[in-house]
Amino acid sequence: EDKVVQSPLSLVVHEGDTVTLNCSYEVTNFRSLLWYKQEKKAPTFLFMLTSSGIEKKSGRLSSILDKKELFSILNITATQTGDSAIYLCAGRRDDKIIFGKGTRLHILP
Amino acid sequence: SQTIHQWPATLVQPVGSPLSLECTVEGTSNPNLYWYRQAAGRGLQLLFYSVGIGQISSEVPQNLSASRPQDRQFILSSKKLLLSDSGFYLCAGGRLSGNTIYFGEGSWLTVV
Repeated sequence: EDKVVQSPLSLVVHEGDTVTLNCSYEVTNFRSLLWYKQEKKAPTFLFMLTSSGIEKKSGRLSSILDKKELFSILNITATQTGDSAIYLCAGRRDDKIIFGKGTRLHILP
Repeated sequence: SQTIHQWPATLVQPVGSPLSLECTVEGTSNPNLYWYRQAAGRGLQLLFYSVGIGQISSEVPQNLSASRPQDRQFILSSKKLLLSDSGFYLCAGGRLSGNTIYFGEGSWLTVV
């Protein structure tokens, strides 16, 4: 059965800290790994990863995929209160997309 | 760009009543479409997905059903709601060749 497991489920840090969110996956016919940020309603897209070892960056956020070990990490440096959200990881097949339970990140001012 | 429209945004329904949540897609054709349910503050549980008109795959046994009568229309239904059907429902869609899927704004369902 396909599954995506995220850790930690919840994380509280102080503003300015660096955080690493983890995502492991077991997805048959794996196509890509997706990261989303959800603040209130609809998740917003962060990254799509298809190749191992190639880091994707967007400002203070970065992510990398390891297809041999079947995991991905999402790093956020110099965190800000606006980074507080649920971060969702998903494994994509040709037909469906399976999400993990998310990491709830809370940044203390 | 692609947009997902989903409605209604909020719904309060009595136990045993029917349900219909609708989702339409703009800006692309032949998308894969998905219905997810999200427990409070948690991840997304895949309920149904569709790779084409009339093609529906169910992920979990339940009293919900889905239909895709048109290429860019996806409907989530129930004949008789249960209390456990309460939750936040998200419609999503996107081309397989695209980088991502796009989400609607979600529907809050409370069964009373």
